[in-house]
Amino acid sequence: KAGVTQTPRYLIKTRGQQVTLSCSPISGHRSVSWYQQTPGQGLQFLFEYFSETQRNKGNFPGRFSGRQFSNSRSEMNVSTLELGDSALYLCASSLARLAGGTPTGELFFGEGSRLTVL
Amino acid sequence: AQKITQTQPGMFVQEKEAVTLDCTYDTSDPSYGLFWYKQPSSGEMIFLIYQGSYDQQNATEGRYSLNFQKARKSANLVISASQLGDSAMYFCAMRVHSGAGSYQLTFGKGTKLSVIP
Repeated sequence: KAGVTQTPRYLIKTRGQQVTLSCSPISGHRSVSWYQQTPGQGLQFLFEYFSETQRNKGNFPGRFSGRQFSNSRSEMNVSTLELGDSALYLCASSLARLAGGTPTGELFFGEGSRLTVL
Repeated sequence: AQKITQTQPGMFVQEKEAVTLDCTYDTSDPSYGLFWYKQPSSGEMIFLIYQGSYDQQNATEGRYSLNFQKARKSANLVISASQLGDSAMYFCAMRVHSGAGSYQLTFGKGTKLSVIP
C-alpha cells in the first residue's frame, strides 16, 4: 500500500516568489492536513481538508492557502515568500473516522517538502 | 487551548535497555487522542502508537507501550529493548475534535533519543 507522497522533496526559492507543494494521500483517505516544521516554532498546524472543503485552519497569514481535489490530492501554496517561511512542510492523511465520539485513526505523514527561502 | 509538554530535549540509552520518554498534556476537552511519532533525520513522521482518552487499557505496539495516566495528564512512551535504529526525534501529539468532524494535532517540542552501542 503506497504511503503519503509529497512533491517536490526539496526546493529553493527567493523572497517574494510563490511556491506550490503537492500531497497525494493514501488511497481511500479523504482527510489531508498540512503542518509546518521549523527549529524555532516546532510543528504547527496549517490547515485540514476533507472532501475538497477546508474544515480547519491554523494561525497562519493569508499568504498560506491550500486546496483539495476530487481525488483527495491536495496542494498548498505560499505566496510572497519570506525568509521565515523556510521550513519542512509535512502533509498527513487520515481516514477521519469517528468511533463512539472519540477521534480515532492514525495520521500518516509523508516525508515532507523542505523549502529554503533565500 | 491544548498544550503538550516534553521536558527532555535529549536522552541517551544503552542498546537493549528500556527507555521512557515523558509527555504531559493539557486540555479541557474530554474527548482526545494521544499519539507518539518518530522522526528520523529523513524528516518523515512515523506513527508509533495511539491512545484514546476513553481507552481503558494502555496501548501497546510491539516494543512500544504508552503509559497513560489520565488523572496526571501524562502519556509517556516506553521503548523496550532499544535498538540503534531507534535513534531519532520523538514527538508526543494530541488531537482534539475541532468541530464539524475536524481535528488537528498539537505537538510537543520533541525529545532526541540517542541509542549507544
